Amino acid sequence: AQTVTQSQPEMSVQEAETVTLSCTYDTSESDYYLFWYKQPPSRQMILVIRQEAYKQQNATENRFSVNFQKAAKSFSLKISDSQLGDAAMYFCAYRSAVMEETSGSRLTFGEGTQLTVNP
Amino acid sequence: NAGVMQNPRHLVRRRGQEARLRCSPMKGHSHVYWYRQLPEEGLKFMVYLQKENIIDESGMPKERFSAEFPKEGPSILRIQQVVRGDSAAYFCASSHGTWPYNEQFFGPGTRLTVL
Repeated sequence: AQTVTQSQPEMSVQEAETVTLSCTYDTSESDYYLFWYKQPPSRQMILVIRQEAYKQQNATENRFSVNFQKAAKSFSLKISDSQLGDAAMYFCAYRSAVMEETSGSRLTFGEGTQLTVNP
Repeated sequence: NAGVMQNPRHLVRRRGQEARLRCSPMKGHSHVYWYRQLPEEGLKFMVYLQKENIIDESGMPKERFSAEFPKEGPSILRIQQVVRGDSAAYFCASSHGTWPYNEQFFGPGTRLTVL
């Protein structure tokens, strides 16, 4: 079974600064997807960024980028030019890319990192 | 195109009552996933359904919990004889069936409080 670990329960950053959230995972599969989700106080789950394991290039979405280290099974999220609206709980998630009818697209989540942005 | 809808958003039940949580997937989506988020924890997979079929319920507690996704109407997560430990946020996500690009889209969740 796959596991996802986020070792930082809380992080804080000054507005306009850069912060990196850590995530490690454990899997025996070679093909999979990794995600970062944001959960603001409204509790709505918002997809921030995704990475396909077969792609060597790190994904980027505006101020959000990842550092994907497949051999180390590490998937960190970097937020540049942090804004007050970035304050939220951030979850790292794993999804298998092996087509198994019974598992579908189930996501395995880490425990989350609460990010505070200080003005 | 409306997103995933869940209702109610908040549900309060007393111990021993039944809770029914509804999820309407996005238009065109035939796959539904339910996740539970206990306080201060991440989301945990509960069950995966397609229309009229439970595909994977390996994350569901063996007793008191059931789920369905009928041919017509929303998916229902049913919790019988609720206990305080069932207090959590329950999220539904939906996707279409084109593997492997079947991105999950989440609903806003139902927060269940058991008194």
